[in-house]
Amino acid sequence: EIVLTQSPGTLSLSPGERATLSCRANQTVSSNYLAWYQQKPGQAPRLLIYGASSRATGIPDRFSGSGSGTDFTLTISRLEPEDFAVYYCQQYGSSPPYTFGQGTRLEIK
Amino acid sequence: EVQLVQSGAEVKKPGESLKISCKASGYSFTNYWIGWVRQLPGKGLDWMGIIYPGDSDTRYSPSFQGQVTISVDKSTNAAYLQWSSLKASDTAIYYCARHSGSSSWRSPFGYWGQGALVTVSS
Repeated sequence: EIVLTQSPGTLSLSPGERATLSCRANQTVSSNYLAWYQQKPGQAPRLLIYGASSRATGIPDRFSGSGSGTDFTLTISRLEPEDFAVYYCQQYGSSPPYTFGQGTRLEIK
Repeated sequence: EVQLVQSGAEVKKPGESLKISCKASGYSFTNYWIGWVRQLPGKGLDWMGIIYPGDSDTRYSPSFQGQVTISVDKSTNAAYLQWSSLKASDTAIYYCARHSGSSSWRSPFGYWGQGALVTVSS
């Protein structure tokens, strides 16, 4: 089973700043099948990025994903007020289970 | 439009059984893997398992194998998550979610239900 470790646990930034979130796997994620999700309080998660770097439908271009192998990054270029939420990575490259990282909370500084 | 509509909140006592549902619409139900994700209060997302409605092929996380049962009813386009004997530690929000890729589990969860709160308390 692949274990995903996200860092930092909490990130405090101001609107307009750049956010960089990390997701590290304990073994290679096959075909870079790594997704990022955003979850706001009281809501279901929403898919942001799949295949490590492809934006899901309707996701603003300020969100970008990068990385390969075991190290992946979600970057939000200029934070908007609505971007403050919890972000999770998930791998789906090998056979199930398709574990999630523990999450990064992005909070307003 | 793809929609996953889950059944409502439940309050149960330890030892009771429960089956919650996820009603799918807007796509060919039998062609996409659908799964369940647990979120304990104030915690992260736990992948529980997935099922392929076409043939009911089911895969569980080792953490949930034997603890829950995932099933589908193709006649009503519904997926289910059930417990035979609930524990207080099962108190959580449970989401159903559909894989994005047709006939493939090697795709992310592109669509999510609204979540169902299950509370187990004596």
